[in-house]
Amino acid sequence: ETGVTQSPTHLIKTRGQQVTLRCSSQSGHNTVSWYQQALGQGPQFIFQYYREEENGRGNFPPRFSGLQFPNYSSELNVNALELDDSALYLCASSLLYSHTDTQYFGPGTRLTVL
Amino acid sequence: AQKVTQAQTEISVVEKEDVTLDCVYETRDTTYYLFWYKQPPSGELVFLIRRNSFDEQNEISGRYSWNFQKSTSSFNFTITASQVVDSAVYFCALSEASSGDSNYQLIWGAGTKLIIKP
Repeated sequence: ETGVTQSPTHLIKTRGQQVTLRCSSQSGHNTVSWYQQALGQGPQFIFQYYREEENGRGNFPPRFSGLQFPNYSSELNVNALELDDSALYLCASSLLYSHTDTQYFGPGTRLTVL
Repeated sequence: AQKVTQAQTEISVVEKEDVTLDCVYETRDTTYYLFWYKQPPSGELVFLIRRNSFDEQNEISGRYSWNFQKSTSSFNFTITASQVVDSAVYFCALSEASSGDSNYQLIWGAGTKLIIKP
């Protein structure tokens, strides 16, 4: 059983560009959540996907968007990058769409916006 | 509103000492889950424990133990005989049964950086 994987590991972009981050869920997990973690802070919830539909969003603007595919892999897209978007982006998958279930995290993608 | 507070920003101890990381939470739900995660310098969040609101039994796993007290809304984490490999940032998180946005996001504390000196 493979864990959650994310790609790329690191990414450097310039302000105004667009970026796509990818996540492969743990085998059998149908729910994926994305978090942004700024340096020295706890993760902040971006959004969650269940069965290819967005189910809930945190306090992030529409230029943050996502997709979940039939194989439960997922993408996070960020348009019009801003300097403050520099952070570690974490993907987490869980077996069930439920508050009872544990979210398992990938290693993250560190995005630097110059 | 739901909230998780980890008042200790950083703790530094010498190897083999015991150390307790505090976590205080706020929620209006009667049904909720509490979690602890470890984040080593590599960045990946490693799941340590999940505890539901109806189970106040303390739990021990090797050198790790957790004390859940609903009366004080606390879920503290103790490492016994700490080791250098325990150095990491530790996060406490809350998941509630009812969420206005119909999602099951984790509400996170700010984390406690634990430094174990040899």
